[in-house]
Amino acid sequence: QSVLTQPPSVSGAPGQRVTISCTGSTSNIGAGHSVHWYQLLPGTAPKLLIFGSSSRPSGVPDRFSGARSGTSASLAITGLQAEDEAEYYCQSYDISLSGVVFGGGTQLTVL
Amino acid sequence: EVQLVASGGGLVRPGGSLRLSCTASGLDFSTYSMNWVRRAPGKGLEWVSSIIGDSAYRYYADSVQGRFTISRDNAKNSLYLEMNTLRAEDTAVYYCATWMATSGYFDYWGQGAQVTVSS
Repeated sequence: QSVLTQPPSVSGAPGQRVTISCTGSTSNIGAGHSVHWYQLLPGTAPKLLIFGSSSRPSGVPDRFSGARSGTSASLAITGLQAEDEAEYYCQSYDISLSGVVFGGGTQLTVL
Repeated sequence: EVQLVASGGGLVRPGGSLRLSCTASGLDFSTYSMNWVRRAPGKGLEWVSSIIGDSAYRYYADSVQGRFTISRDNAKNSLYLEMNTLRAEDTAVYYCATWMATSGYFDYWGQGAQVTVSS
């Protein structure tokens, strides 16, 4: 059971917009800690997609965006492409656990 | 370009030991806190251990405390994870990753090393 809750799967057609939610608590996201997002493609190194809840590292397309509100955060992907099919994880810090926490991961399927 | 290359994974019996290595390039390795994060089959990512640049502080998840030891050799730009008394539940892909301490995220990751604990 992950501290941060994500839907196990989402899907969308090419060109569509999808969002992935990440629900936490007052011990992590709700305490004001930033949320970060990672993309995992099979057989490759995980990639940082969003840091500081809404900032993109250099090289990440602006089709990817992040937001945080209250005890939740979300990752939005617009203009869905086949190459976006991957697993996505959110991450934050939990003050009760005094450590890094991850979501359970969301598998994105591009139909 | 930053590259992290993990190695040393394999198949080991329960109770056995294994040592993972991670070699870094393209960054000032000694200035980075380094981490191991794992992903077990059917489960999400789990932080395992971290070590700061000068090795003065090391941290472990409760699940591996007392069994795993993290270390580094800055002269060789290398990070290590010594894993002892391995259990079936340690089966996972182990990733090495750099830690952006000021903002609390992992900015660079290696491709992962598969560790399988099975009899």
